Amino acid sequence: QVQLVQSGGGWVKPGGSLRLSCEASGFTFSDNYMTWIRQAPGKGLDWISSINTSGRDVRYADSVRGRFTISRDNTKNSLSLEMNNLRADDTAVYYCAAGLSIILYDFWGQGTLVTVSS
Amino acid sequence: SYVLTQSPSVSLAPGQTATITCGGNNIGSLSVHWYQQKPGQAPMIIVYENTDRPSTTPERFAGSNSGNTATLTISRVEPGDEADYYCQVWDSSRNHPIFGGGTKLTVL
Repeated sequence: QVQLVQSGGGWVKPGGSLRLSCEASGFTFSDNYMTWIRQAPGKGLDWISSINTSGRDVRYADSVRGRFTISRDNTKNSLSLEMNNLRADDTAVYYCAAGLSIILYDFWGQGTLVTVSS
Repeated sequence: SYVLTQSPSVSLAPGQTATITCGGNNIGSLSVHWYQQKPGQAPMIIVYENTDRPSTTPERFAGSNSGNTATLTISRVEPGDEADYYCQVWDSSRNHPIFGGGTKLTVL
């Protein structure tokens, strides 16, 4: 069955870095756009980044551009999010999501909590 | 930028019909997708492109979209339908998705 298994969350001090990973199985990863969406505690869903099937087209929300980097490895069915210069307002559960179209999200990972605090 | 407005909460008894709305300027011209997020779980898509349902979505869930309001209607609500519901569109002017603020459905 379709699975997106996430790893890499945790606690980090402001200014620190973390790398999130998302391993896909049960579907053709290379055919799917991949996206990171986050959810601050008690809040709604917030898109932060997307990458196209080849990895050549990447997009970022203004709030993370220049600090976060999305990438994918279609040979390993994996998606990553490199997060640098983290701030307290980056604290959230981060979800990876997949879709045959960039405009909607068919499958979601289980989420991973990132806490940025001193 | 484009804004989607959802009522924060809806409460009703089992068996009743829930109406969850998503307001946006001329949203009827856009494709609206709906996600259900149960407590402690990841969101999952339940309606896409205004009215279509994945095979896993019960027929009790129906979407519609016209004018400035998209609507998710849940017939004969069950306790298991308790969740947050989010609408989503694609903002073509900024080339990224927009989510509504979410509506919490409580089944009394």
